[in-house]
Amino acid sequence: EAQVTQNPRYLITVTGKKLTVTCSQNMNHEYMSWYRQDPGLGLRQIYYSMNVEVTDKGDVPEGYKVSRKEKRNFPLILESPSPNQTSLYFCASSSQGQGGWNEQFFGPGTRLTVL
Amino acid sequence: AQSVAQPEDQVNVAEGNPLTVKCTYSVSGNPYLFWYVQYPNRGLQFLLKYITGDNLVKGSYGFEAEFNKSQTSFHLKKPSALVSDSALYFCAVRDFAGANSKLTFGKGITLSVRP
Repeated sequence: EAQVTQNPRYLITVTGKKLTVTCSQNMNHEYMSWYRQDPGLGLRQIYYSMNVEVTDKGDVPEGYKVSRKEKRNFPLILESPSPNQTSLYFCASSSQGQGGWNEQFFGPGTRLTVL
Repeated sequence: AQSVAQPEDQVNVAEGNPLTVKCTYSVSGNPYLFWYVQYPNRGLQFLLKYITGDNLVKGSYGFEAEFNKSQTSFHLKKPSALVSDSALYFCAVRDFAGANSKLTFGKGITLSVRP
């Protein structure tokens, strides 16, 4: 089954404790992206990657890191989480198509709480 | 900078009635437009997209959307609403030129269909 998986689905942590949220897709997609979803703000892009070793900042990259060493994986790293990073996080991927990139496939989400 | 406006926070309709969920956009080039739906505690699911061609686009679950270039709108419609259509709906836009890989989402509109 074609899918984007994220782990963990739920995480409660404390300020300053480094964490990684993993994202993996099995569709051989070139493009992957991370979003955060907050009430009243919709989805905001954190980082995206157009292929292996190619990453770029989205709208809200501060406090986050990413890496793309393999095509299927795109982990999100919070080196020193803070309470304002409490949010619902989504990973997404898409393939190349007419005019650029096709529609994105989304993972199930990771609900992060930073105390 | 590209942007999406979803002017309503919530749309309420009775089952069996037609529904419209509004979206307007701003982009420098030709738009590449999407609608996504999010059911409670789930990730986003792709509904439909407009790239070029016919202004009326048909998508999943009986939804369709009409692209209007002069009004820079891409409203989502369905002739007869179902209670199961109740969800959060997001409109998104990307610059058709392709060089900009960023997908910008609106804040989302909650659709509530009453029996």
